Amino acid sequence: GEDVEQSLFLSVREGDSSVINCTYTDSSSTYLYWYKQEPGAGLQLLTYIFSNMDMKQDQRLTVLLNKKDKHLSLRIADTQTGDSAIYFCAEYQGGKLIFGQGTELSVKP
Amino acid sequence: GAVVSQHPSWVICKSGTSVKIECRSLDFQATTMFWYRQFPKQSLMLMATSNEGSKATYEQGVEKDKFLINHASLTLSTLTVTSAHPEDSSFYICSASDASGRAGETQYFGPGTRLLVL
Repeated sequence: GEDVEQSLFLSVREGDSSVINCTYTDSSSTYLYWYKQEPGAGLQLLTYIFSNMDMKQDQRLTVLLNKKDKHLSLRIADTQTGDSAIYFCAEYQGGKLIFGQGTELSVKP
Repeated sequence: GAVVSQHPSWVICKSGTSVKIECRSLDFQATTMFWYRQFPKQSLMLMATSNEGSKATYEQGVEKDKFLINHASLTLSTLTVTSAHPEDSSFYICSASDASGRAGETQYFGPGTRLLVL
């Protein structure tokens, strides 16, 4: 099927690391993405990873890709209250993006 | 760079009227534009894909006569919800791709348009 799956909620304390997990379905997906959506807004591209990479780091963000298990994760270091949002992973498949359900990240002071 | 705008950001209309939503790529040429619908607390559902100058490709279950898409230029696509009904109330988001090859078909999203049909 086309399902991309994510856990729905994650709550962390400010300053801790957050890890958001995602499993995807198509082993031939070439690109995998992480998007952030704040309330009432569109999606902001955070980062992406090409399928021949295992890891990508961009400032506080680290993406890990396990192709064997079709598992993608996003780690946010030193999580801030401004990071509270919904995070979507997406796989590029057949000319379109297939999104997960989104993980709502709540950061408590 | 890669900024996408939508207009209007919010619209309230009466049942039976038509509503047009514009999606513009402000600083790049969008070879492909996508229209999504999002229900509260849910993921994005792709409605259709449009390439400049050609007819849109609609996803299964999306009525092409109800959701008219026009992609007349490399920077503008419009979605018209015809004869809107309360069940069409939703958050509509567009995205645009420049297919630059930097990261595959990276899509840049607009801020969304919230439609409320009374």
